[in-house]
Amino acid sequence: AQTVTQSQPEMSVQEAETVTLSCTYDTSESNYYLFWYKQPPSRQMILVIRQEAYKQQNATENRFSVNFQKAAKSFSLKISDSQLGDTAMYFCAFMKHRTYKYIFGTGTRLKVLA
Amino acid sequence: GAVVSQHPSRVICKSGTSVKIECRSLDFQATTMFWYRQFPKQSLMLMATSNEGSKATYEQGVEKDKFLINHASLTLSTLTVTSAHPEDSSFYICSARDWDSVTVPALAKNIQYFGAGTRLSVL
Repeated sequence: AQTVTQSQPEMSVQEAETVTLSCTYDTSESNYYLFWYKQPPSRQMILVIRQEAYKQQNATENRFSVNFQKAAKSFSLKISDSQLGDTAMYFCAFMKHRTYKYIFGTGTRLKVLA
Repeated sequence: GAVVSQHPSRVICKSGTSVKIECRSLDFQATTMFWYRQFPKQSLMLMATSNEGSKATYEQGVEKDKFLINHASLTLSTLTVTSAHPEDSSFYICSARDWDSVTVPALAKNIQYFGAGTRLSVL
């Protein structure tokens, strides 16, 4: 069975600085997808970024980028130039190819400080 | 695009009553919808996978007679919490996957779009 671990329950960062959220997963699969979702106080889940396991190149979406280390089964999220609106709960998620089911990590609560 | 509407956003009911939560994909067809439960300050736990026109697949430990799921059309799935009790109080979230093989790139089919959730409080 696959598991997803987020070892940082809470983090804080000063506005405009950079922060990295960690995520590790355990799987024997070779074909899968990884996601970072953001859940702000409104509780609406918002997709931040996704990565296909077969791609070696790290995904990037504006201020958000990932460091995908397949051999180490690590998938960290880097937020650059942090903004107050980035304050939220961040969930890492794993999806085995063609199952379309997500397995979520326990989440990291990020607070951006003014 | 890819908007999922969930209704109601909040419901308070008496113990023993049933509550229905609706999940609609507004601008796309969703053959597959998912229902999650989220306890305070915890992660999302998948309850069941709902496929249009067929019976839902429940995760281990989820009572299918307690949580009735109906997915009668490509844009609507409902979750009914039957004979609700205080321990059923939680935040319920639905999500949907965009199925269209023509307009949706293969990779995008893996993305789930989430509703805003329903907070259920059973008194």
